[in-house]
Amino acid sequence: GESVGLHLPTLSVQEGDNSIINCAYSNSASDYFIWYKQESGKGPQFIIDIRSNMDKRQGQRVTVLLNKTVKHLSLQIAATQPGDSAVYFCAENKENTGFQKLVFGTGTRLLVSP
Amino acid sequence: DSGVTQTPKHLITATGQRVTLRCSPRSGDLSVYWYQQSLDQGLQFLIQYYNGEERAKGNILERFSAQQFPDLHSELNLSSLELGDSALYFCASSGGLDNEQFFGPGTRLTVL
Repeated sequence: GESVGLHLPTLSVQEGDNSIINCAYSNSASDYFIWYKQESGKGPQFIIDIRSNMDKRQGQRVTVLLNKTVKHLSLQIAATQPGDSAVYFCAENKENTGFQKLVFGTGTRLLVSP
Repeated sequence: DSGVTQTPKHLITATGQRVTLRCSPRSGDLSVYWYQQSLDQGLQFLIQYYNGEERAKGNILERFSAQQFPDLHSELNLSSLELGDSALYFCASSGGLDNEQFFGPGTRLTVL
């Protein structure tokens, strides 16, 4: 069964569309950001990360954009597939502290229709 | 499969009881993190251990405690359980202090 809140914002797209999931972070001192994907009944899975000295980073079918001015992070998924259906979380961290204490956002549910 | 294992997968218990959740990190990982995921609070960091030592604390209640053993596995102890402690508890591990975290499948705790 689902492991996250019932009132998550939901993004519904058609297979093949591009998806954009947004996240606002809270700590202007955060300098490391990560996107996680959580499928039903599973633990979060790392997708992509970005450090604050960058404003864009690309992976396989995914791109993360960072706007430090407005403390906004986005995840773009190209050619979305039904297997991309999941809850997506952004997480922030302040590095160089000797430990990684991630603060997670509330999550966005992505629903991909065939 | 992340390589992180957690037991048990499900746990049902009563209020006031005490339970122990177990986590085995990926082979070679020294850091272990515990998270709680509930419906109303989302995913929250509880505590981190690195090579047997506590390194960071988050929103962990005094009724909760954890430890990391010499073989690097970790246990999260939850005592005087309340209904509100019902949640998914995830363990994650990483190779160092600031590396990517790999999450286990979680333990679903239900307090009745």
